[in-house]
This record gives sequence, C-alpha cells and structure tokens, in this order.
Amino acid sequence: DVKVTQSSRYLVKRTGEKVFLECVQDMDHENMFWYRQDPGLGLRLIYFSYDVKMKEKGDIPEGYSVSREKKERFSLILESASTNQTSMYLCASSTTTLNTEAFFGQGTRLTVV
Amino acid sequence: AQKVTQAQTEISVVEKEDVTLDCVYETRDTTYYLFWYKQPPSGELVFLIRRNSFDEQNEISGRYSWNFQKSTSSFNFTITASQVVDSAVYFCALRPYGNNRLAFGKGNQVVVIP
Repeated sequence: DVKVTQSSRYLVKRTGEKVFLECVQDMDHENMFWYRQDPGLGLRLIYFSYDVKMKEKGDIPEGYSVSREKKERFSLILESASTNQTSMYLCASSTTTLNTEAFFGQGTRLTVV
Repeated sequence: AQKVTQAQTEISVVEKEDVTLDCVYETRDTTYYLFWYKQPPSGELVFLIRRNSFDEQNEISGRYSWNFQKSTSSFNFTITASQVVDSAVYFCALRPYGNNRLAFGKGNQVVVIP
C-alpha cells in the first residue's frame, strides 16, 4: 500500500517559533509537494521539489522554506511562525509521468498562537 | 498560467439523489491531464478519476461518471444515487503537459443528508 506520511496530525506552536513539518513517502517518487489548505481558498502550492536538493517556488512561498536532502523526505520550514500561517498543510508526492495521480498525506493542522 | 474554477461551494442532497459537480479550467497547453479528488473528514485527499485532454470519451465507473468537454473547458463529475459516505470535499485539478504542478480548484463541499 502506497504511503505518504506526515509527522504530525496536529501541532500548536507559538508566534516566532521555528517550525518543521516533515513528510516521508515510500514510493520512490521524484516529485514532492507542500500545499496549504484554507476555507474558501482550496489548495495552494507552497513549494515543490522534483529531485533531491532541487526545489521550486509555488504560488505562496513567502514565509516558508523547504529541504529535500533525501529522495523520500521533504520538509517544510516556517522560519518564524506567525498567526496567519495557522492552516492545514498537505504533503503530496508523484512520479514524473504526467498522467499519473499525486498521493497525499493525511495533513497537519497547524495552529500558531 | 493554469486556473481551475469550481463555482459551487456547498451542495446538499438527500441520500439517493444524484449530485453533479462542475469544473471549468483554463490552460494554454493543448495537452493536459484532469483529475478529481475526494477529501473525506479524515483529511487525506483520495484520487478518484483522471482524464487526458486528447481523450474526450466519457465514462462511468460504478456510481461515478464524468463528462469531459474540451470545447467548453469543462470536466464535470457526477455521483449517482448518493450515499452518506459520499459526504466530503471534492477537488478538481489540472496538470499541464511538461509541468509537474497540479493546480486545484477551491473544492465543493458535498453533504448527503440521510
């Protein structure tokens, strides 16, 4: 059974903290993605990576950075968390074959207080 | 740039009624791929169906069917004889050829009332 696993289901952090969201996939996929989901706004792409150490900005990269040191792991970093980063964060992975679907993790609901 | 529009935000139906979700997309690419995903209350997006831009044949798979019309840039999805377990948020997504990114619509919240 294919799997994308996010390290936490729920997370509460304080304003100004450095926050790491971790995602691991076991499908040997080249592509990995971080999305943010907010009510009424759907899924918005923050960053994606198409190979180890390679990354590309998505639509809303401000306030975030990413790290991909190993193929199976993709981390999202909030350098200094702010309350407007309270959201649901979804990680996904896919192959480079274009007509294949992406697989998603269960999501991390982050609250910044 | 790609854009996916799902106009209806929340749709409520009584169990056993059919429900159709509209999806309109914009892309300059002539080759692209369209997807529908379901997000149940548990939060994980689950892939449902996929369609390539060069294949306009509409299909039925169990209680799911889809209507792809390239001329109107629409990729509508229908659940026949809805069940309570169909209550979820449904997302339409577009992936252009040569691009790894998936562009999502804002989603449709479907509520099936028993």
